[in-house]
Amino acid sequence: GQNIDQPTEMTATEGAIVQINCTYQTSGFNGLFWYQQHAGEAPTFLSYNVLDGLEEKGRFSSFLSRSKGYSYLLLKELQMKDSASYLCAPMDSNYQLIWGAGTKLIIKP
Amino acid sequence: GAVVSQHPSWVICKSGTSVKIECRSLDFQATTMFWYRQFPKQSLMLMATSNEGSKATYEQGVEKDKFLINHASLTLSTLTVTSAHPEDSSFYICSASNLAEDYNEQFFGPGTRLTVL
Repeated sequence: GQNIDQPTEMTATEGAIVQINCTYQTSGFNGLFWYQQHAGEAPTFLSYNVLDGLEEKGRFSSFLSRSKGYSYLLLKELQMKDSASYLCAPMDSNYQLIWGAGTKLIIKP
Repeated sequence: GAVVSQHPSWVICKSGTSVKIECRSLDFQATTMFWYRQFPKQSLMLMATSNEGSKATYEQGVEKDKFLINHASLTLSTLTVTSAHPEDSSFYICSASNLAEDYNEQFFGPGTRLTVL
């Protein structure tokens, strides 16, 4: 079957760094997306990885290891507005995104 | 990034009525549109995938006669919730993708919050 495993909730302090891990199993693989979703809003795109390694984009970086079925999202210099759910979504062989429940990130002052 | 709009952004209706939600890709041609439903504190649940000019593919457990999807053009897909009931109250989100592009990113609309009384 296909599944996603992420921590349900994480707490971090403003200005700090946090890493959100994701392990996945899919039927085929066409890359992995990370989305941010604020409560009551639709997801917004953060990053895409299809090859192994680290992709850096400003304060956010995403890492992928295809052989391990593992990815992480790294958020630096945390701001209060980063409080949201972070969704790890691999894309299967049918180009469908597989969604888990996401990780709710709480930022404290 | 590309822009996807949804209309209406929220709707309240009486039980037994039908509600139509529109999803438009504003600045690109969407070969594929996806319809999701999300209940509070739960993950996105894919309801159906629609390709322009063909019938939608529904996920297991989603009633195609209740959730009618039409993808008549490369920029518009509609979801009609027929004979809505309170249990259909949810956040409905569409996304659009162009499979001809490099990595098939799905661009999400802002969502439609449906409340059935």
